[in-house]
Amino acid sequence: EPEVTQTPSHQVTQMGQEVILRCVPISNHLYFYWYRQILGQKVEFLVSFYNNEISEKSEIFDDQFSVERPDGSNFTLKIRSTKLEDSAMYFCASKLVAAGEKLFFGSGTQLSVL
Amino acid sequence: EDQVTQSPEALRLQEGESSSLNCSYTVSGLRGLFWYRQDPGKGPEFLFTLYSAGEEKEKERLKATLTKKESFLHITAPKPEDSATYLCAVQDPSGTYKYIFGTGTRLKVLA
Repeated sequence: EPEVTQTPSHQVTQMGQEVILRCVPISNHLYFYWYRQILGQKVEFLVSFYNNEISEKSEIFDDQFSVERPDGSNFTLKIRSTKLEDSAMYFCASKLVAAGEKLFFGSGTQLSVL
Repeated sequence: EDQVTQSPEALRLQEGESSSLNCSYTVSGLRGLFWYRQDPGKGPEFLFTLYSAGEEKEKERLKATLTKKESFLHITAPKPEDSATYLCAVQDPSGTYKYIFGTGTRLKVLA
């Protein structure tokens, strides 16, 4: 079965540094998402991306965050100046159509900000 | 505000001891309710989609049902390998149809 691929699986960074989390969604999917999960908490929506632009973002997704789909296959999440509270598991997800369709999730990137 | 609430937070069962997990939702205009399984350090893995009250789906020892206000995930004769966190999500009917997740039920099945 096709799958969403995320790299790296673990990322350790110093506070204030920039990180880029990478994702390769399923090839024919059109809708792309980033979610995060702080340890012990619920999976939270960050941002959705369709037709090469952000379609919706949460209040968590402030100016330090950005997303790109630079080459038609990769989908990246950049955090410009990391904070301690950004430490979390970040999941990329994709789906083929908007309504009523299941989301396919990647295995996640565990980000630790020191 | 739309909400998804799961109970119990945690559940310990003996192998073979059947039980049910609950997901209640308050989203208006349900466009789909989804059950996922999540193993530690992994991404959510899709189990079921339910769209309308009365609908049921089954897969091995799992059966999901849906009413107008809640969904149940019934686990029949569970095995230790069923131990995981089970997540419920509803699709936000507006905007980009993002998922709104509950906090999950951590299931531990003892041999």
